[in-house]
Amino acid sequence: EDQVTQSPEALRLQEGESSSLNCSYTVSGLRGLFWYRQDPGKGPEFLFTLYSAGEEKEKERLKATLTKKESFLHITAPKPEDSATYLCAVQAAGTASKLTFGTGTRLQVTL
Amino acid sequence: KAGVTQTPRYLIKTRGQQVTLSCSPISGHRSVSWYQQTPGQGLQFLFEYFSETQRNKGNFPGRFSGRQFSNSRSEMNVSTLELGDSALYLCASSGLAGGLETQYFGPGTRLLVL
Repeated sequence: EDQVTQSPEALRLQEGESSSLNCSYTVSGLRGLFWYRQDPGKGPEFLFTLYSAGEEKEKERLKATLTKKESFLHITAPKPEDSATYLCAVQAAGTASKLTFGTGTRLQVTL
Repeated sequence: KAGVTQTPRYLIKTRGQQVTLSCSPISGHRSVSWYQQTPGQGLQFLFEYFSETQRNKGNFPGRFSGRQFSNSRSEMNVSTLELGDSALYLCASSGLAGGLETQYFGPGTRLLVL
C-alpha cells in the first residue's frame, strides 16, 4: 500500500528563517509527487509536480526536490503570508488520478 | 479560466439522513476526483470519474457513491449519514500541467452531521 509521511507535523519560523519540510514515501511505481498548499477553510492549492529522482522545481521562496525515497520543500526567507499547511501526495503508476496524501506540515511564520 | 466550484459550501444534517454534493470541474477537464478530509485521517481518496465512468475507488463503504454527467459535472451522495461522516469534502478536476495530469481542488463542502 502506498504511504506518505510528512515531518515535522508543525513548524514555527521567524520571518527570514529558512527551513525544509520533509515528505518520505513508499509507492509501487512513482508516477508523480505533488506539493500543495492549503489555507484554513480552503481547498489545496497546487504548487509543484516532480517526476523523477534528482528533479527540482522552484517558485518564489519555495524549492521542491525529489529523491527515490523522499522529497523536500525548502522555504527560503519565509514571510508571514507563507503560513499554511503544506501537503505532499504521490500518484502511483496504474492508479489513474488517485493521490495518496500525507497529513501535512502546519507552517507558521511570525514577524 | 474559472476554477473548480462546489456546492453547497456548508451543510448541516442529522444522523440517518442522506446528502448530495455537487462539483463543477474546470472547463475542458474530464476527470473528477473526490476526497474526504478530516483532522484525524487527512485527505482520503473516495473515487474518480472520467467520461461518466468510475475509474478508481477508495476504501469507503457503499454508503458513499458518485456519478458524473455528460458535461463532466459530478455529484457524490452519502446515504444513512453517521457522525463520523462530518468532514470537508473536496472535489478535484484533472488537467495537464507539465506533461502529467494535475489535480486542481475546489474550496470544498463542509458537512456537519449531528
